Formats: sequence, C-alpha cells, structure tokens
Amino acid sequence: QLQLQESGPGLVKSSETLSLTCTVSGDSIYIVNYYWGWIRQAPGKGLEWIGSIYYNGNTYRNPTLNSRVAMSIDTSKNQFSLKMTSLTAADTAVYYCARESRASYADSSGQYLTLDSWGQGTLVTVSS
Amino acid sequence: SSELTQDPAVSVALGQTVRITCQGDSLRGNYASWYQQKPGQAPMLVFYGKNLRPSGIPDRFSGSTSGHTASLTITGAQAEDEADYYCNSRDTNFNHVVFGGGTKLTVL
Repeated sequence: QLQLQESGPGLVKSSETLSLTCTVSGDSIYIVNYYWGWIRQAPGKGLEWIGSIYYNGNTYRNPTLNSRVAMSIDTSKNQFSLKMTSLTAADTAVYYCARESRASYADSSGQYLTLDSWGQGTLVTVSS
Repeated sequence: SSELTQDPAVSVALGQTVRITCQGDSLRGNYASWYQQKPGQAPMLVFYGKNLRPSGIPDRFSGSTSGHTASLTITGAQAEDEADYYCNSRDTNFNHVVFGGGTKLTVL
C-alpha cells in the first residue's frame, strides 16, 4: 500500500526558507505515469496547489508562488522535496504531499488529473 | 491560470440526494476530480474522470460533466458524508493544477 509522509520543521521564522521532504513507501517514486505534488491548506481555508515534479526532475509550479518555490526528487531515497523562500505569515498552512496521476481517455473525450494518495500533512507555522 | 468555482456550503437531509457543483473554463476538455476532507484529515479522492471511483468509495458517490460544469452527486447521503468537498482539474492553458474553493456539506 502506497504511503507518503511529510517531514520538516513545524516552526519557521519569517523571511527564512522552508524545507520539506516527502518520503514515499510501498512503491517506487521512479514511475513514468506519476507526478509527485505539493499542496497546502491555510487554517480554515481551501486547498492550494504548490507544484508538481516528475521522476525525471521536470517541474510545474503555481504561478503565484513560482519564484519562491523549488522542488527536487531523489529516486535513490524514494523522496521528493520542497523549498519555499521568503516566508511570511501567509505561508502558515498544513503542507501535504501527494501522488498525482494525469491521464487522457483514448477516445479523446478529455483528460483528468487525480491526487490519489496523500500524506497526512504537516503544519508549518511562520513566526515573526 | 483558470479558476474553479464551488458553492461554499450545501445541506442535505439524511438519506436524500445532493449535488455539489464545480464550474470553470478548465473543465472544457478536462474532467474534474473530487475530494472529501473531514476535519483534521487529509483529503481523499472519491470520484474522478467520466465515471471512476477509487476502491472502497461507496457507489452512492457519482459524477458528471456538462460543458464547463462538473457535478458530484451523493445519492442517499449518510451522516458520515458530512465533510468539505473539493474539485480539481488540470489547467490546460498552463499544464498546472487548479482547485475549487471547496463546498461544506452538512447532512441534516
């Protein structure tokens, strides 16, 4: 059974850099069909996509966070990581990692994207 | 990037049917995926694509898409279905991921 687990500091100071790692177990991260994503949720708010990384290192990032976000993947450790710079209080949130699948129907009727396995999430508080 | 719009809150009587909708330009050519999130828990995928449910999700959860609107229908809502529901899809313009703002479902 696939499991994802986020790890990193729970408290970060304003203007500093957040580093989070997601460790994947139960399957290899080196799979052609999957991306690996980061999503966050501020207290009492909705879900916000941060970015996704492919096994070969290709990344897609939320345009609103683009310049502050970097992602990497370590297939030897079955881990992928997130770095977010210049933190402010607005970055206080629960950060989730997830496995992302992108597929198209063979009849060209459309595409879909799913986040089918999630980590439990880790609360990151940005303090001044 | 595109946005997905959901009603903030919906209520349904126990055992009745409820539809939760998600609207956005990115749904033209893309099917939505739907997630259920209960307090203190990570979101869980409950429906995706044309008509796909992950293993273990009850068949009272179904979905549909028409134009730029996707719907998640719960037929015979149960007390345990009370949760926040989010839609998401691929943003075709930029190959990004977009989420709806979420719908809080109350089962009365």
